[in-house]
Amino acid sequence: EVQLVESGGGLVQPGWSLRLSCAASGFTVSSKYMSWVRQAPGKGLEWVSVIHSGGSTYYADSVKGRFTISRDNSKNTLYLQMNSLRAEDTAVYYCARGSSSWGQGTLVTVS
Amino acid sequence: DIVMTQTPLSLSVTPGQPASISCKSSQSLLHSDGKTYLYWYLQKPGQPPQLLIYEVSNRFSGVPDRFSGSGSGTDFTLKISRVEAEDVGVYYCMQSIQPPYSFGQGTKLEIK
Repeated sequence: EVQLVESGGGLVQPGWSLRLSCAASGFTVSSKYMSWVRQAPGKGLEWVSVIHSGGSTYYADSVKGRFTISRDNSKNTLYLQMNSLRAEDTAVYYCARGSSSWGQGTLVTVS
Repeated sequence: DIVMTQTPLSLSVTPGQPASISCKSSQSLLHSDGKTYLYWYLQKPGQPPQLLIYEVSNRFSGVPDRFSGSGSGTDFTLKISRVEAEDVGVYYCMQSIQPPYSFGQGTKLEIK
């Protein structure tokens, strides 16, 4: 069974950094493209970043240059390094495997 | 970047009646590999999104057959043949033909 568990969220001040983790089970993170999607309170879904199975990475313009997606195949874990955080980054962050499986999300509050 | 536009943004439906949501993309979602990278999700209150339809018209595992997807190129539709109380939530279309991937604004379905 595919399972994704996000962690690492919390309350931080503007300008600070945070690293989110997404522990995967039931598959290997390098076998499929993996994404981060966020949802600000009361708002819609916003795609943030993707890492393809071959290692290519892409970002939304809103986070380009500040966020870095990566994976550790030995730990079967996806990461999102978030630097220079802003109030508008406040959201629940979901990791997703391909198009089909999502975690429960982790809340990041920048205030 | 591809912009996804959903209509309507809200829908109030009597149980047993049909519902339809439109999603239009600013560029064709037909890839050179022959697939069209358009997905439909439902986000129920307090839950992460769940996949309903992949590649325009394929129902994901466990999705009731009252849900169907259609369309091509830039115009897509999600239909619910007979709405049930458990269908309440926000529906999103999403494209993944090219990064940055993008979602529609969401359509909130409520029951009358």
